[in-house]
Amino acid sequence: DGGITQSPKYLFRKEGQNVTLSCEQNLNHDAMYWYRQDPGQGLRLIYYSQIVNDFQKGDIAEGYSVSREKKESFPLTVTSAQKNPTAFYLCASHRGQGTGYTFGSGTRLTVV
Amino acid sequence: GEDVEQSLFLSVREGDSSVINCTYTDSSSTYLYWYKQEPGAGLQLLTYIFSNMDMKQDQRLTVLLNKKDKHLSLRIADTQTGDSAIYFCAESYGGATNKLIFGTGTLLAVQP
Repeated sequence: DGGITQSPKYLFRKEGQNVTLSCEQNLNHDAMYWYRQDPGQGLRLIYYSQIVNDFQKGDIAEGYSVSREKKESFPLTVTSAQKNPTAFYLCASHRGQGTGYTFGSGTRLTVV
Repeated sequence: GEDVEQSLFLSVREGDSSVINCTYTDSSSTYLYWYKQEPGAGLQLLTYIFSNMDMKQDQRLTVLLNKKDKHLSLRIADTQTGDSAIYFCAESYGGATNKLIFGTGTLLAVQP
């Protein structure tokens, strides 16, 4: 079955460390997105990519980086520059206008 | 800027109807969406409505769109305990980039 796989489901990071969250899709979707979810704040867009080897900053890109070397993969790196990284991170993709997004099951990152 | 607002919490009894409301700001949005999020999971697309429609019905779900007031609602008939979740509305913006702006989410609690 097609879908989006995020890993790991839970991730613990020490302060000052970079961590990379994985997002893989086998839906043949061109566009992929990373969102951050905090309680009471909904979803905020971190980065998005419309096509391979291209990506744009979203509303809260500071402290994060991404790459899009393959259509199927859009990993997110949370760097030590991100001041408050503890959150639930969601990856999504879509086929085109009006089709809505397909979401992964999320990664919960906790800084210890 | 773009902003999507929802009330934070709704409590209903099993078997009653639930109505979740949403206001949005971008009058050029072409599609508006409703997503459901169960605890610790990603978002699941429930339904969507094209901006030239004012109503869409899909089994127990009815979406109403008042474009003049930029108001969107989701009615769930015969609400069940399995409907307990967070519900997000989202509007599309950005033309070809098809970015979605999500509301803060409404927690629906269904009492047995």
